This record gives sequence, structure tokens and C-alpha cells, in this order.
Amino acid sequence: EAGVAQSPRYKIIEKRQSVAFWCNPISGHATLYWYQQILGQGPKLLIQFQNNGVVDDSQLPKDRFSAERLKGVDSTLKIQPAKLEDSAVYLCASSLGTGWGLAYEQYFGPGTRLTVT
Amino acid sequence: DAKTTQPTSMDCAEGRAANLPCNHSTISGNEYVYWYRQIHSQGPQYIIHGLKNNETNEMASLIITEDRKSSTLILPHATLRDTAVYYCIVRVGGSNYKLTFGKGTLLTVNP
Repeated sequence: EAGVAQSPRYKIIEKRQSVAFWCNPISGHATLYWYQQILGQGPKLLIQFQNNGVVDDSQLPKDRFSAERLKGVDSTLKIQPAKLEDSAVYLCASSLGTGWGLAYEQYFGPGTRLTVT
Repeated sequence: DAKTTQPTSMDCAEGRAANLPCNHSTISGNEYVYWYRQIHSQGPQYIIHGLKNNETNEMASLIITEDRKSSTLILPHATLRDTAVYYCIVRVGGSNYKLTFGKGTLLTVNP
């Protein structure tokens, strides 16, 4: 079974530029998550989708971050304009959906490492 | 979700058991203990979870104290590939509840 795919793996931009990350979840997974992981810290949830609807975006800085999940499959996360403090690894995860059991746990992609200079 | 306390780092010799502690003294009755690990340059990986009974799977064992205020993740025969940051998380069960990660424990397995 293919895992969660993310691209690009690395990105370097200057502050005030824009950047977009792409995520392809595991086939059949209805729930998709985006996390931000700053160096030395654990991942922090930015946004959670259930199919193509937003379930939780309470920690998404909406003045500069946006995310969409058209057709309930792939997702993109955008930052516009980027700040130095946005330097982090952006992780995408997916799960089968709402439910209980190992099959419903979150599976993470390898992440995109963003450096803002 | 209840907060957890983990040591910042631990060392273990290859082939020996690695015992990673976690304190969660404010855990609620409906909260589970979850463990994830994150190998360098990879995303976190689910290991195991439990409510009050000890649990074992092909990766690890989870020992939860009777009062549920602390737990220990046991890797019975640590290998170099087990070097990672291990996160202990307590949360309500089910996939619709978000994971709140702390800083975790960096386990270094030495040859």
C-alpha cells in the first residue's frame, strides 16, 4: 500500500514570497491533516479536512496560510506572504475517517522542509 | 487533552530493552495513552495505544500503572533503527480527535 506522498521535499524561499505544498493521501482515506513542525518541537496541527470540508482550522494563521482539498483527495497548503518564523517542516497525514481502531489512526508523509531567508 | 511529561533524552545499548517513561497525572477516565515515534527526516509513526490494560504488539509493549498516572513504552530488543524521538500523547480515542504532540524523548540506541 502506497503511503502519504508530499512534494516538494525541500523548499527555500525569501521572506514575503509565496509557496505551496502538495499532499496526496493514502487511497480511500477521508480525513487529511496538515501539521507544522518547528525545529526541536513536536508537530502542531494546522488544519483537518473530512473529505473536502474543514473540520478544524483553529490553529491556522488565516491571514497568510490557506489550504484546500478539492474533490476530497489531494490537498495543497499555501503560505502568502512567508515570514522567517514559517521555517519548519510541513507534514501531511491521513486517516481512514471517523472511527475507532488501528485502521483509523493517522499515517504521516515524509514532510516538506521549508526554509525562509 | 491531558499534558504529558517525558525525559528529554535517553540512551540504550543495542539489543537491550529500552524503557521510555511518561507521566500523565491529569489523565481523564476516557483518555487513552498513545505512543508515536519520529525517525529523523520522516513523519511520525504510530506505535501503540492503551486505556488501562497493558498492551503488546509487534513493535512494543505498553505498561500503564494502575492509577493511570504514568506509563512506560518498552522496546524489548532495541536496534539502531529504533533511534528516534518518541512521543507520549493522551487523548480521547477515535480518529476524530486531534493529536497534540509535546517535545518527546530522543532515544539514542548505541552499538
